[in-house]
Amino acid sequence: GNSVTQMEGPVTLSEEAFLTINCTYTATGYPSLFWYVQYPGEGLQLLLKATKADDKGSNKGFEATYRKETTSFHLEKGSVQVSDSAVYFCALITPNTGNQFYFGTGTSLTVIP
Amino acid sequence: EAQVTQNPRYLITVTGKKLTVTCSQNMNHEYMSWYRQDPGLGLRQIYYSMNVEVTDKGDVPEGYKVSRKEKRNFPLILESPSPNQTSLYFCASRTWDLLGGYTFGSGTRLTVV
Repeated sequence: GNSVTQMEGPVTLSEEAFLTINCTYTATGYPSLFWYVQYPGEGLQLLLKATKADDKGSNKGFEATYRKETTSFHLEKGSVQVSDSAVYFCALITPNTGNQFYFGTGTSLTVIP
Repeated sequence: EAQVTQNPRYLITVTGKKLTVTCSQNMNHEYMSWYRQDPGLGLRQIYYSMNVEVTDKGDVPEGYKVSRKEKRNFPLILESPSPNQTSLYFCASRTWDLLGGYTFGSGTRLTVV
C-alpha cells in the first residue's frame, strides 16, 4: 500500500539555521510527491511538488528532491525565518489512487529569533 | 479570490445532535474531499466526490455522510455526533489534474461533549 513517514517533531531552530525535515514513502506505481505547509489557524497550502525521479521542487527558499533510490523527499531550507514557523506535511499521490492523497503525520517547526 | 470556504470555523455540540458543516468552492473543481486532522495521525480522508452525485468513502467514513448536489458545494453531515468525532476538519478541492494538488479550506474545529 501507500504511506508516508515523516520525522517526528517538534523541531525548534534559531533564525537563519539550516532546516531538514525527513520524509520517506512507500508506494505502488510511480508517485508524485508534495510538501504542504499549515500556518497556525489556517488550512494546508501547497508548498512544492515533484512528479518524477530526480525532480527538484522549490518555492519560497524551500527545496526537496525526489529520490527514487532511497524513496525519500526531504524538505530543506538554507536559512529559516520566524515566519516559517508552521506544520509541514509530506504527501503523495499515485495514478492508480487518483482520488486520494496520502499524508504524513506532519512536523511542527518553531523558529525562534 | 479562488478559495474553499468552510463554515462554521468553530463548533461545540452535544452527543447525538445532528450537525452539518458546509463547504463551498469557487474554482469549478471536480474533486472535493473531507479530511479530519488528529494529533499524531495526520490527515485522514473521510469522503470524497469526483463530481456531482458521485461520492465515495475514504479511510474513516463511519459516522459521517456527504452529498454533492451541486458542483460547488460538498457538505459534511454528522447524523449523531459522538465525542470521538471531536477533531479538526478540512474540506479540499482540486481539478482533474491531480498534480495541481488540493486547495484546502481554513478548517472547522468541532468539539462533541
